[in-house]
Amino acid sequence: GDSVTQMEGPVTLSEEAFLTINCTYTATGYPSLFWYVQYPGEGLQLLLKATKADDKGSNKGFEATYRKETTSFHLEKGSVQVSDSAVYFCALSSTGRRALTFGSGTRLQVQP
Amino acid sequence: EPEVTQTPSHQVTQMGQEVILRCVPISNHLYFYWYRQILGQKVEFLVSFYNNEISEKSEIFDDQFSVERPDGSNFTLKIRSTKLEDSAMYFCASSEGLGSNEQFFGPGTRLTVL
Repeated sequence: GDSVTQMEGPVTLSEEAFLTINCTYTATGYPSLFWYVQYPGEGLQLLLKATKADDKGSNKGFEATYRKETTSFHLEKGSVQVSDSAVYFCALSSTGRRALTFGSGTRLQVQP
Repeated sequence: EPEVTQTPSHQVTQMGQEVILRCVPISNHLYFYWYRQILGQKVEFLVSFYNNEISEKSEIFDDQFSVERPDGSNFTLKIRSTKLEDSAMYFCASSEGLGSNEQFFGPGTRLTVL
């Protein structure tokens, strides 16, 4: 079945550091890939998405590239801020399905 | 900006009782979903709903669960006889449908079964 694997957290960085959160997936066909973010006390918000191989999703300085050959969708940001502190979820939806399969989430803590 | 809303934010119930969790999806969206997240675990898909019927469900969504769109705005999840293991955060989501599977999530309802 479909699955998403994320690096375990928490990830603790200083402000302006470079961020990478690894995500790999297993799915049949050509899934769509997503990153969601959950700020404390809030619901899940879509951060970015990519629907086909080599697509790059980007939003708010975050970006991730759909790599079919390595089945990966790593999240990156060049310079994190304290306000980026949240839990980040990688997710996919398989071809022909709408259900999202989520990874376990990675907590990011950015220190001033 | 339109958003998905959920009520209540926190529900406490006794084991064996029925609970109804309520959601108001974004008004022009066609697909509706329920997910749950048991504390410390992954967000798990329960069910999707389109055109007044279930379009997809997971193995978690057994006979104890049901969904309904009782009017033009609300979308509900009913658990008939709650168990301790139903304690979780329940998220409602909606999407435009057609070619887009971009799902917008509500803030969640925390269900505590005692």
